[in-house]
Amino acid sequence: ETGVTQTPRHLVMGMTNKKSLKCEQHLGHNAMYWYKQSAKKPLELMFVYSLEERVENNSVPSRFSPECPNSSHLFLHLHTLQPEDSALYLCASSQDAGAESGGYTFGSGTRLTVV
Amino acid sequence: QKEVEQNSGPLSVPEGAIASLNCTYSDRGSQSFFWYRQYSGKSPELIMSIYSNGDKEDGRFTAQLNKASQYVSLLIRDSQPSDSATYLCAVAEGGSQGNLIFGKGTKLSVKP
Repeated sequence: ETGVTQTPRHLVMGMTNKKSLKCEQHLGHNAMYWYKQSAKKPLELMFVYSLEERVENNSVPSRFSPECPNSSHLFLHLHTLQPEDSALYLCASSQDAGAESGGYTFGSGTRLTVV
Repeated sequence: QKEVEQNSGPLSVPEGAIASLNCTYSDRGSQSFFWYRQYSGKSPELIMSIYSNGDKEDGRFTAQLNKASQYVSLLIRDSQPSDSATYLCAVAEGGSQGNLIFGKGTKLSVKP
């Protein structure tokens, strides 16, 4: 495995379900990110982790709960989501927190549909 | 609110022409700028980065930066149908965190 891998690729869940998105990076990077991409909107930064410590939370609703057990793995736990949460969820990593180190590498994303 | 603005397009150019993609940003403290290409149904892929005023060339791609005007552009020479994608401009916030702020993207269509 190389780069940034995300699972599952597609997820359909009901509003009362609990599910988790997984991200793993094989690049030796120290920072990981969750972004949300909705139609006709720019990528929205949700969470930033640097060396397993959360450094930023962009006013994301509590129904999204991140977890970073080590610098290679990042999870996004989902519960009681709303239909407007349907989107492409992208994980990214960078050498260090912030873009000064040369931009982010993105995973393939999880296409989430809330029904 | 820090913003990155792009014309959403679609921008249509014939094969072999030069495609010009533009981006403006609001944060005067930004020092790092990136262009990502995103094919339909795929994730963004970094294609260019630029940090200093002027031009930076990489193959058929040229990034241009003018910090005084808060403007960054991407030129694609000899455009190919395989260049058809959405191009995202991303700007690093000024300050210690420097997280990336993205524009909505410009959809480019290269016609054979």
